Amino acid sequence: ELKVEQNPLFLSMQEGKNYTIYCNYSTTSDRLYWYRQDPGKSLESLFVLLSNGAVKQEGRLMASLDTKARLSTLHITAAVHDLSATYFCAVDEGGTSYGKLTFGQGTILTVHP
Amino acid sequence: DGGITQSPKYLFRKEGQNVTLSCEQNLNHDAMYWYRQDPGQGLRLIYYSQIVNDFQKGDIAEGYSVSREKKESFPLTVTSAQKNPTAFYLCASSKRTTGNTIYFGEGSWLTVV
Repeated sequence: ELKVEQNPLFLSMQEGKNYTIYCNYSTTSDRLYWYRQDPGKSLESLFVLLSNGAVKQEGRLMASLDTKARLSTLHITAAVHDLSATYFCAVDEGGTSYGKLTFGQGTILTVHP
Repeated sequence: DGGITQSPKYLFRKEGQNVTLSCEQNLNHDAMYWYRQDPGQGLRLIYYSQIVNDFQKGDIAEGYSVSREKKESFPLTVTSAQKNPTAFYLCASSKRTTGNTIYFGEGSWLTVV
């Protein structure tokens, strides 16, 4: 059974600081997704990582994937209040069951002035 | 505009009732999914469908049923056998190839009264 674990689960940051959210998963996969969710809202796709060593950046967020370590990171640079949200990583089991995602518990990020 | 439309956004169910959540997409995606989210938790897969007239159980299919008679539509029925149906339900869709972004609808809140 595929397990996905994020840490930390709660993250309180000051504006302007940097931090990293970690996503560990238990079985071999080279397809990992990051999503953002605002309270009471749906999920917004941030990144799709498809190979070992993949790195993608959008604004103050950068995601990477190390399939050998079964680890993905979401790095936040110079945080701003608008980044406050819950961030989920999700792993695709692969094979013929593409799109069958197993989600982490989510990391609740709060950015303070 | 292309997207995924879920309805209703809010739904109340009495004990012993079946209710159906609608999901329609005009993105021409082959694959569609239903996820359940409980407060403060990640998403769990209920059912998924990769082509019309075919669908597979996810991790928590008990007490739910689906149909996929049209490419655009993937309704979810929450039956009376689902003992704890109060949750946020999210429909998603994607192209039927590896590594494509999986897009989510706005969600439906179901509460048992």
